[in-house]
Amino acid sequence: NAGVTQTPKFRVLKTGQSMTLLCAQDMNHEYMYWYRQDPGMGLRLIHYSVGEGTTAKGEVPDGYNVSRLKKQNFLLGLESAAPSQTSVYFCASSYSSGRPDTQYFGPGTRLTVL
Amino acid sequence: DQQVKQNSPSLSVQEGRISILNCDYTNSMFDYFLWYKKYPAEGPTFLISISSIKDKNEDGRFTVFLNKSAKHLSLHIVPSQPGDSAVYFCAASEEGSQGNLIFGKGTKLSVKP
Repeated sequence: NAGVTQTPKFRVLKTGQSMTLLCAQDMNHEYMYWYRQDPGMGLRLIHYSVGEGTTAKGEVPDGYNVSRLKKQNFLLGLESAAPSQTSVYFCASSYSSGRPDTQYFGPGTRLTVL
Repeated sequence: DQQVKQNSPSLSVQEGRISILNCDYTNSMFDYFLWYKKYPAEGPTFLISISSIKDKNEDGRFTVFLNKSAKHLSLHIVPSQPGDSAVYFCAASEEGSQGNLIFGKGTKLSVKP
């Protein structure tokens, strides 16, 4: 099992450019999440999905869109990148039924917006 | 306002001694707590968790203690090893939150040989 994988690992964008980050999991998890981590800020939830075809907003959703067309994939889009979106982005997934809510994380994507 | 607080940004401990990482929370509806460990340039990895119906959970060198009345939990690592040097995040969730975790800002642990 590869677990949770993220593509790409690094990316540099210019202000106004768009891009899509791909997250894939092979654990048959229902729930998937996108976080960003900024220095001294911990992890903040951007968007999440509780199943194929569903998405919901997290704590910091502005400037991002997501799609979950297939159960194993969760895409994070930036339509018009801004320097404030420079961050490390982590995808995570978890089971849906019962507790615990243990989430399994990917290795991250480091994004720089110039 | 932060619901999960890790007030110590860093902690330095000698190899073989005990490391104690602390976490406070404000939301009384939280009923499940987790600790994650993160090395540089890697994603967080799950370490240990505790349900609010317990006050202690142990897994090898790692023990988490929960004091619900004080809204406080702590992670004890005994004995500490240099490979434990990492950033540790405390996280919490409440039933019905669709698995959403609220993370603290993390504590960087350095274990010196």
